Amino acid sequence: AQSVTQPDIHITVSEGASLELRCNYSYGATPYLFWYVQSPGQGLQLLLKYFSGDTLVQGIKGFEAEFKRSQSSFNLRKPSVHWSDAAEYFCAVGAIQGAQKLVFGQGTRLTINP
Amino acid sequence: DGGITQSPKYLFRKEGQNVTLSCEQNLNHDAMYWYRQDPGQGLRLIYYSQIVNDFQKGDIAEGYSVSREKKESFPLTVTSAQKNPTAFYLCASSVPGTGDYEQYFGPGTRLTVT
Repeated sequence: AQSVTQPDIHITVSEGASLELRCNYSYGATPYLFWYVQSPGQGLQLLLKYFSGDTLVQGIKGFEAEFKRSQSSFNLRKPSVHWSDAAEYFCAVGAIQGAQKLVFGQGTRLTINP
Repeated sequence: DGGITQSPKYLFRKEGQNVTLSCEQNLNHDAMYWYRQDPGQGLRLIYYSQIVNDFQKGDIAEGYSVSREKKESFPLTVTSAQKNPTAFYLCASSVPGTGDYEQYFGPGTRLTVT
């Protein structure tokens, strides 16, 4: 069965610093991978997705993610964070068992220090 | 604007009462999903529907029921059998069969049962 692990429950970075959020997945074939962001009390917004092709994926709000098959990882990065990036971030993998379901990681809460 | 509407944003009920959460979408998507979100546990799938008049249980369906009489609507009923119903509930939709697993999320309903 597919699974997603986000090892960091909570990360704090200073405004202007670089960011990397980790995501490891378990899936036998080429996965469909997603990063979503959630502001407090809100729904989820898609940041970026990977299906195939270039392993470095660009998303909205200056985020990017790199798919590394050898490490079963899909880490999210941003070169310089802004206070508005404070939110919860979810990695997800598409589950191809007869239905287009997503399996989500537990999320990483990002706090930005001024 | 196309999107997903969930109402109400906050819902309060007494223990032992059934309650129905609304989810409406005007994206013309065939597939719809209900998730439950608890702190530190990510999103867990309750029910999903790939087409009108058909739905399947997700990972935590016990104590919940759904219907899918119209393409636009996928209401979730939290029954009195659900042991711990207080949570944040998210509805989502997607276009099945296209190979694109992206799901679009509503703003969520926070249910509090006392």
